[in-house]
Amino acid sequence: DVKVTQSSRYLVKRTGEKVFLECVQDMDHENMFWYRQDPGLGLRLIYFSYDVKMKEKGDIPEGYSVSREKKERFSLILESASTNQTSMYLCASSSGGPHETQYFGPGTRLLVL
Amino acid sequence: RKEVEQDPGPFNVPEGATVAFNCTYSNSASQSFFWYRQDCRKEPKLLMSVYSSGNEDGRFTAQLNRASQYISLLIRDSKLSDSATYLCVVNKDRYGGATNKLIFGTGTLLAVQP
Repeated sequence: DVKVTQSSRYLVKRTGEKVFLECVQDMDHENMFWYRQDPGLGLRLIYFSYDVKMKEKGDIPEGYSVSREKKERFSLILESASTNQTSMYLCASSSGGPHETQYFGPGTRLLVL
Repeated sequence: RKEVEQDPGPFNVPEGATVAFNCTYSNSASQSFFWYRQDCRKEPKLLMSVYSSGNEDGRFTAQLNRASQYISLLIRDSKLSDSATYLCVVNKDRYGGATNKLIFGTGTLLAVQP
């Protein structure tokens, strides 16, 4: 069974703080993704990585960065948190190939005050 | 125009009813199609892939019409436990891309009533 875990289920931070969200998968998947999900907007891709130390911008990368030092771990960094980054953050992983589905972690609900 | 469009609902149906969800997508190069299910405050989970010939999994039937760029999901004999948001998902890249980027619809909310 694929398992994707995220470091926190709920997080409360203040504006301007640096925030780290961690994601770990145990299926040796090449690809990992970070999304945010907001009501009425659905899931939007922030960044993804197709290999260790490789990353590509998704649709909404502004205000975020990522790190992938090990294959199983993909971190999302909010350099200076802002209130408009209050959201549900979902990490996903998949093996290679265009027909492969993505498996999601439980999500982190981030509130920026 | 959104890349993947769904009727947001909610669809309120009685137990035992048959309900159908529709979805349209804009990228004619898309090769992979899925339906995901998302329970309230939980992560999305794969319900089923959608194949060109149509496919069935128990009470669930998915169909794809490439010419019309249209995907459907039919749920027969609805159960209370089917209550969830159903996400239509389409891949973004043509076959051969290094990474399977997916585009998610905003979802259709189904509420099955006793």
